[in-house]
Amino acid sequence: QKEVEQNSGPLSVPEGAIASLNCTYSDRVSQSFFWYRQYSGKSPELIMSIYSNGDKEDGRFTAQLNKASQYVSLLIRDSQPSDSATYLCAVKSSSNTGKLIFGQGTTLQVKP
Amino acid sequence: ETGVTQTPRHLVMGMTNKKSLKCEQHLGHNAMYWYKQSAKKPLELMFVYNFKEQTENNSVPSRFSPECPNSSHLFLHLHTLQPEDSALYLCATSPGVDTEAFFGQGTRLTVV
Repeated sequence: QKEVEQNSGPLSVPEGAIASLNCTYSDRVSQSFFWYRQYSGKSPELIMSIYSNGDKEDGRFTAQLNKASQYVSLLIRDSQPSDSATYLCAVKSSSNTGKLIFGQGTTLQVKP
Repeated sequence: ETGVTQTPRHLVMGMTNKKSLKCEQHLGHNAMYWYKQSAKKPLELMFVYNFKEQTENNSVPSRFSPECPNSSHLFLHLHTLQPEDSALYLCATSPGVDTEAFFGQGTRLTVV
């Protein structure tokens, strides 16, 4: 079992729709979870961090965490063509050594 | 400008060469990371340093040798690399081992 799993996509949504990106993780004791956006040829850019169960909203982005189900999601409301990118889910290991494990990423395409 | 600067941005080296990648941070963070990103593969954690001490070595071959001389600089020394080592090498930093990481622009390495 992979430590962090994401559907590689591509996920295609029309402009203005809600894009829903999902991630599962295997380390039951993990406490820190992150979403990064990576444009082609660029480095990953942090867009959300979440540490507690429930929802966390920041502008058009909402991160959702369910530790019991070992599940993290990212919702993007009013999707724009500029949101087209690869979205990476990352989980800090419970080992407290700083180990940050990434999923393979989900490619999002927002069609005008 | 992310506060994490990597040099060089591009590097072409022969299999018998020795070269070094440099990462410099101006964020005052305590943890620093090296990641490898190959085409169509997830980001692979290579090394983690926390307060200049190595806390993670993710089974990286010895032809990659990290060095963290101070809290602002991280190096990756390369020697006798293989063509399959061609990838984007990313440096990241975080305030602590359990918090979000911020990436530099990366070094695109090609081994010929």
